[in-house]
Amino acid sequence: EAGVAQSPRYKIIEKRQSVAFWCNPISGHATLYWYQQILGQGPKLLIQFQNNGVVDDSQLPKDRFSAERLKGVDSTLKIQPAKLEDSAVYLCASRPPPGTPSYEQYFGPGTRLTVT
Amino acid sequence: QQQVKQSPQSLIVQKGGISIINCAYENTAFDYFPWYQQFPGKGPALLIAIRPDVSEKKEGRFTISFNKSAKQFSLHIMDSQPGDSATYFCAANAGGTSYGKLTFGQGTILTVHP
Repeated sequence: EAGVAQSPRYKIIEKRQSVAFWCNPISGHATLYWYQQILGQGPKLLIQFQNNGVVDDSQLPKDRFSAERLKGVDSTLKIQPAKLEDSAVYLCASRPPPGTPSYEQYFGPGTRLTVT
Repeated sequence: QQQVKQSPQSLIVQKGGISIINCAYENTAFDYFPWYQQFPGKGPALLIAIRPDVSEKKEGRFTISFNKSAKQFSLHIMDSQPGDSATYFCAANAGGTSYGKLTFGQGTILTVHP
């Protein structure tokens, strides 16, 4: 079974520029998550999708961050404009359909963003 | 209320020794307590998990001990190996069986010396 795919793996941008990250979850996984992992910290949930609907975006800085999941499969996370404090690894995760343990999430390798 | 506090930040253990990582939580609504393992350049991967009505769960060399009254849980790695060197995160799950939402601890960098 293929894992969660993310691209790009690395991105360097200047502050105030925009950037987008892409995620392709494991086939059949209806729930998709985006996390922000700042160096030395645990992942922090940004947004959670169930199919193509948003379940939880309470910790998403909506003035600069946006995310979408068209057709309930792939997802993109966008930052516009980026700030220095956005430098982090952005992780995408997916979860099997309900009926499987809800804590069991499968993570992609992440995109390391550096804002200069 | 949603925080999970993890200690120590880093841990150095000799091969064959026991590694112990501790976590504490406040929100009694959490329903599962998983541990994730992360290698450099990779995303976290589920290692082992426990429900709050169980005091201990063992899978191979990995054991979770859970103290519900103290709101604390810990990961024990027996016979630690150099290949166990990674960052370990405790987490707490909320949302029942439908919508899992994980709150992670700060992480512990484990180094196992040969």
